[in-house]
Amino acid sequence: SQQGEEDPQALSIQEGENATMNCSYKTSINNLQWYRQNSGRGLVHLILIRSNEREKHSGRLRVTLDTSKKSSSLLITASRAADTASYFCATIPNSGYALNFGKGTSLLVTP
Amino acid sequence: KAGVTQTPRYLIKTRGQQVTLSCSPISGHRSVSWYQQTPGQGLQFLFEYFSETQRNKGNFPGRFSGRQFSNSRSEMNVSTLELGDSALYLCASESSGPYNEQFFGPGTRLTVL
Repeated sequence: SQQGEEDPQALSIQEGENATMNCSYKTSINNLQWYRQNSGRGLVHLILIRSNEREKHSGRLRVTLDTSKKSSSLLITASRAADTASYFCATIPNSGYALNFGKGTSLLVTP
Repeated sequence: KAGVTQTPRYLIKTRGQQVTLSCSPISGHRSVSWYQQTPGQGLQFLFEYFSETQRNKGNFPGRFSGRQFSNSRSEMNVSTLELGDSALYLCASESSGPYNEQFFGPGTRLTVL
């Protein structure tokens, strides 16, 4: 079953703009992870944010986590065409063991 | 460190056949998980192996099985293939520690005709 839900399902922006994707989940979690997937290929681990963290940065990525609202956001600043991909959030419930993924946000960055 | 490797990258089989997929985790990682990705169902957990033992299992029929070897390499087997088994099969290697950080391989694209 899929616990995470990303929003929007699709996003189209121009190079240089910022892209924001949101993720909501249903149960208490230990951490939340964001992944990127280029068309039909493997998942690239972007960032892990722990349940006791509110914000985390990695390069052009900024992730926030609001456990009271059971939601997270991924911000990609100064987007590049190479950022075109699908982005997934994934959680493991406190009572679970497997990553639960949402359907993903498809990001298109045009030059 | 080398990343997670999966072989083969692409497979074409016919209904009724069986298939074996292989995954080598990141050196030092002892946990390997398998996921199936389809356009309709998205990413779904198949099973997890740790120290040669299946530790957790998702909601898939018994046609899907796996094993792990002493060097942590894992194989996944699907018997009596069905058209609906066409998918991208992803293997994930988990780092030790409390945060279940998982790193994925490039996947095996299985097409069942």
